[in-house]
Amino acid sequence: DAGVIQSPRHEVTEMGQEVTLRCKPISGHDYLFWYRQTMMRGLELLIYFNNNVPIDDSGMPEDRFSAKMPNASFSTLKIQPSEPRDSAVYFCASSLWAGTGNYEQYFGPGTRLTVT
Amino acid sequence: GDSVTQMEGPVTLSEEAFLTINCTYTATGYPSLFWYVQYPGEGLQLLLKATKADDKGSNKGFEATYRKETTSFHLEKGSVQVSDSAVYFCALTGNTGGFKTIFGAGTRLFVKA
Repeated sequence: DAGVIQSPRHEVTEMGQEVTLRCKPISGHDYLFWYRQTMMRGLELLIYFNNNVPIDDSGMPEDRFSAKMPNASFSTLKIQPSEPRDSAVYFCASSLWAGTGNYEQYFGPGTRLTVT
Repeated sequence: GDSVTQMEGPVTLSEEAFLTINCTYTATGYPSLFWYVQYPGEGLQLLLKATKADDKGSNKGFEATYRKETTSFHLEKGSVQVSDSAVYFCALTGNTGGFKTIFGAGTRLFVKA
């Protein structure tokens, strides 16, 4: 299994530019999560999907952030316009519902975003 | 709401020392509890889990026991290796609906040769 795939691995952009992060979950998984990790705030859940439908987006920091999952094998997280405080590592994770207690999440390698 | 508190790091140990990383939680009902590990430059990966009270999760020499009476899930290893140097996250997923996992702040472990 290829695992969760994220692209790009590194992104450097200027303030005000649009940034799109991409994620391919593990085939067959029905949950997809987007997280942001910073030294100051730790690991934050931004949004998660079940069967391509957004379930909880309460962690999305502002309207500048949006996420989509057009099909079971692809999701995007977009920031428009980007700001220096958006600099962080963004992780995508996926999971398969397999009964109560089986909530293991499989994380991708992350995208390190730097906004100058 | 649900929360996870784990000991602050960094924790620095010599090789073959005993490791304990404390984790306590607040949750309604009976959550599932996890320890994830993050090696430099990588995403988190599941280390072990426990889904009900008194369960012991174990993997790669690490152990943690689900203690409902003390709402704790402390991570232990009898003899650490340099390769165990990483950040360890305690986490819970509640059973009150949804699939949201709450992560602790993470504890960085350094193991010296």
